[in-house]
Amino acid sequence: GIQVEQSPPDLILQEGANSTLRCNFSDSVNNLQWFHQNPWGQLINLFYIPSGTKQNGRLSATTVATERYSLLYISSSQTTDSGVYFCAVLRLNKFYFGSGTKLNVKP
Amino acid sequence: KAGVTQTPRYLIKTRGQQVTLSCSPISGHRSVSWYQQTPGQGLQFLFEYFSETQRNKGNFPGRFSGRQFSNSRSEMNVSTLELGDSALYLCASSLARTNYEQYFGPGTRLTVT
Repeated sequence: GIQVEQSPPDLILQEGANSTLRCNFSDSVNNLQWFHQNPWGQLINLFYIPSGTKQNGRLSATTVATERYSLLYISSSQTTDSGVYFCAVLRLNKFYFGSGTKLNVKP
Repeated sequence: KAGVTQTPRYLIKTRGQQVTLSCSPISGHRSVSWYQQTPGQGLQFLFEYFSETQRNKGNFPGRFSGRQFSNSRSEMNVSTLELGDSALYLCASSLARTNYEQYFGPGTRLTVT
């Protein structure tokens, strides 16, 4: 299967700070998604982004498929941004998840 | 449009028993995928169903099985439960034609004692 690596594994931020989360994958993929898992376990869709850049409020994502990586930017972080961020890549009709970045935003 | 729903939300079973979990996809979505999430192994793909047929399968023993009904609702079954089966079980649905974006349900937290 495909390897999906996320970095950093853990991140502590002060409220208002910006951050960049990275997702590297080992092979070509059909698609890529970013999720935020809240403390109750719910996975919330952030971006469906096979290539290019998308923005949604304080969050934006960029995928460079030819170089096999994607970046998630969080600006002006808030305590509600805390949780685990996963990227998942789609290849041959299967999604493969990274191990996640655990974000803790302190007030 | 209602989201993906999963029942039950919490479950406690004894080793050796079997369990059935249910997932109702978003209306119009024909693909349902199941995942197991544990602290040690992370999120792992179990299987995917599309139009009542299992289309993909992960690396899990035969004790894990599933099915999909004509209304796209899906069930997964785990027989002869082991302590290691304690996990959050998540299902996701997608249109799975030209758009494979997955939407997840809230999960079923299974505890095996």
